Amino acid sequence: NAGVTQTPKFRVLKTGQSMTLLCAQDMNHEYMYWYRQDPGMGLRLIHYSVGEGTTAKGEVPDGYNVSRLKKQNFLLGLESAAPSQTSVYFCASRRQGGNTGELFFGEGSRLTVL
Amino acid sequence: KNEVEQSPQNLTAQEGEFITINCSYSVGISALHWLQQHPGGGIVSLFMLSSGKKKHGRLIATINIQEKHSSLHITASHPRDSAVYICAVSYRDDKIIFGKGTRLHILP
Repeated sequence: NAGVTQTPKFRVLKTGQSMTLLCAQDMNHEYMYWYRQDPGMGLRLIHYSVGEGTTAKGEVPDGYNVSRLKKQNFLLGLESAAPSQTSVYFCASRRQGGNTGELFFGEGSRLTVL
Repeated sequence: KNEVEQSPQNLTAQEGEFITINCSYSVGISALHWLQQHPGGGIVSLFMLSSGKKKHGRLIATINIQEKHSSLHITASHPRDSAVYICAVSYRDDKIIFGKGTRLHILP
């Protein structure tokens, strides 16, 4: 009963380094989302996917790339990290779109870019 | 421009009080979500609704599609209800956009 799992939970990077955050869900959900949460800003949508092999841009996609090669995994990549990407990242998934899918969240990944 | 507006931003109340948190949105949606986040903790879904009213324990959520407005009510509030309550809307293009949250503090 893992639900949505994010790895790593914490990471410190230097400016210019790259890294990948992994979101894995075991509920056979079609839809997956990556958000960042910053103080006073709420959760902002980075990218999302409505099924295996699909991705789409959200509100703040610049500086991030994503891939959904397998239905259960949604990867968020930072090619060249910047201090402005210091944030807490949350992954979410739901069974389907519209009014059919309750949201399930991972525990968050805290990223610091020095 | 944030398309989901919540009010109030912060709310402090005494234990036992009836609590109302409001959410308004600007365009048509397919569903509205209410979520809870405890300090330093994860995010948990409380309700998903597209019409009418839902109740779970002391929590009640309502939505008025015509007025593009939803409310979350907590009856007989308790200090353990202290958390950030977040409204989010699902749009027809499958995006889910969040409000900034309402920080609730219930005093014993």
